[in-house]
Amino acid sequence: SAVISQKPSRDICQRGTSLTIQCQVDSQVTMMFWYRQQPGQSLTLIATANQGSEATYESGFVIDKFPISRPNLTFSTLTVSNMSPEDSSIYLCSAAGGRGTDTQYFGPGTRLTVL
Amino acid sequence: DQQVKQNSPSLSVQEGRISILNCDYTNSMFDYFLWYKKYPAEGPTFLISISSIKDKNEDGRFTVFLNKSAKHLSLHIVPSQPGDSAVYFCAASRRTSGSRLTFGEGTQLTVNP
Repeated sequence: SAVISQKPSRDICQRGTSLTIQCQVDSQVTMMFWYRQQPGQSLTLIATANQGSEATYESGFVIDKFPISRPNLTFSTLTVSNMSPEDSSIYLCSAAGGRGTDTQYFGPGTRLTVL
Repeated sequence: DQQVKQNSPSLSVQEGRISILNCDYTNSMFDYFLWYKKYPAEGPTFLISISSIKDKNEDGRFTVFLNKSAKHLSLHIVPSQPGDSAVYFCAASRRTSGSRLTFGEGTQLTVNP
């Protein structure tokens, strides 16, 4: 399975600021994704990070609010822009398509609190 | 529209007994199903998966059953161990849609010694 790391592991931010979360995979993968888990809820897919092109966003999520980069096959970033307390969540990166498997593996998550 | 549902928010079993976690889905286009386990402050850990061409898949203590006509799957853990205590998520995808996962709400399993 792929080993996925995320930075930072947690942060407390002020309203109106932005935070960029980094995701690093230990091997080349085909697919990378970003999810959000709001308090007491399930995981919701934000977007698919496409290597070398714009991310594909799910309904309810837009690029201006959650810009995503994926410069290569092992790295992606998610920025949470102009944050409000409603953005307080765990943000999770996942990857699939590495080492001959399409099973999706997850990073440890970034716990974001917006004051 | 909740396409994947886990109707039991919690389940408590005794160590050594069987744990059965259930999941229902509404989208008949889903063709790949997965179970993940999640401990607090960690990301979900992949447990076991099943393709829609099968009705059972087994891996050690974990078995997943798929009933396509009922749009229902279940995860059996035998025997249950205290270390299995975690939140279990069911997830579904359409392989032609690029592995995007739709998750259920999760079931908190507690295995009592």
